[in-house]
Amino acid sequence: SAVISQKPSRDICQRGTSLTIQCQVDSQVTMMFWYRQQPGQSLTLIATANQGSEATYESGFVIDKFPISRPNLTFSTLTVSNMSPEDSSIYLCSVVRRGGEEAFFGQGTRLTVV
Amino acid sequence: AQSVSQHNHHVILSEAASLELGCNYSYGGTVNLFWYVQYPGQHLQLLLKYFSGDPLVKGIKGFEAEFIKSKFSFNLRKPSVQWSDTAEYFCAVISLSGGSYIPTFGRGTSLIVHP
Repeated sequence: SAVISQKPSRDICQRGTSLTIQCQVDSQVTMMFWYRQQPGQSLTLIATANQGSEATYESGFVIDKFPISRPNLTFSTLTVSNMSPEDSSIYLCSVVRRGGEEAFFGQGTRLTVV
Repeated sequence: AQSVSQHNHHVILSEAASLELGCNYSYGGTVNLFWYVQYPGQHLQLLLKYFSGDPLVKGIKGFEAEFIKSKFSFNLRKPSVQWSDTAEYFCAVISLSGGSYIPTFGRGTSLIVHP
């Protein structure tokens, strides 16, 4: 299994500010993803965090709004920039074991923008 | 693109009732199938998974799921639910896409079990 440490676990932020969420994995993984889970909704993939190159963003998500870093195979950050109340959500880091055998999740970051 | 459909968005049951949650996926290739559970205030946990072999898989806490390839379905079942099964349940598929295994999730089913 993979143990994922994600922080902060929650935050309340002012609109217009930015928040950086960290994700630390206890082993090297190739595939790391960032998801958003809005209230009552499913998990929506924001982007795939690629080590050593730019992240791959899904439709509706852009780098200026959600810059992602992945300096090595065990760590990634997601920044939610210029926040608005619509960004209030749970943000989840996920890794997938080689072969797609299982997806593991961090405990999530509950973000509230006021 | 891969999509996952969960037919029941909200389910309310009494304890000891039987449960079946539907899940269908769209991808016609090789997939790995999962059910995850999210208890109130907790993070996602794996209930069970299917890769190959016996299409009836058993998971934790008495849950099981059946893979029916012809129907692109992976329905979750439990013969007798408990109050502690109150949670959000997500069906997920991992398929090979562009060289990466990207998990795709259904919208989730909220299960409330009354004592």
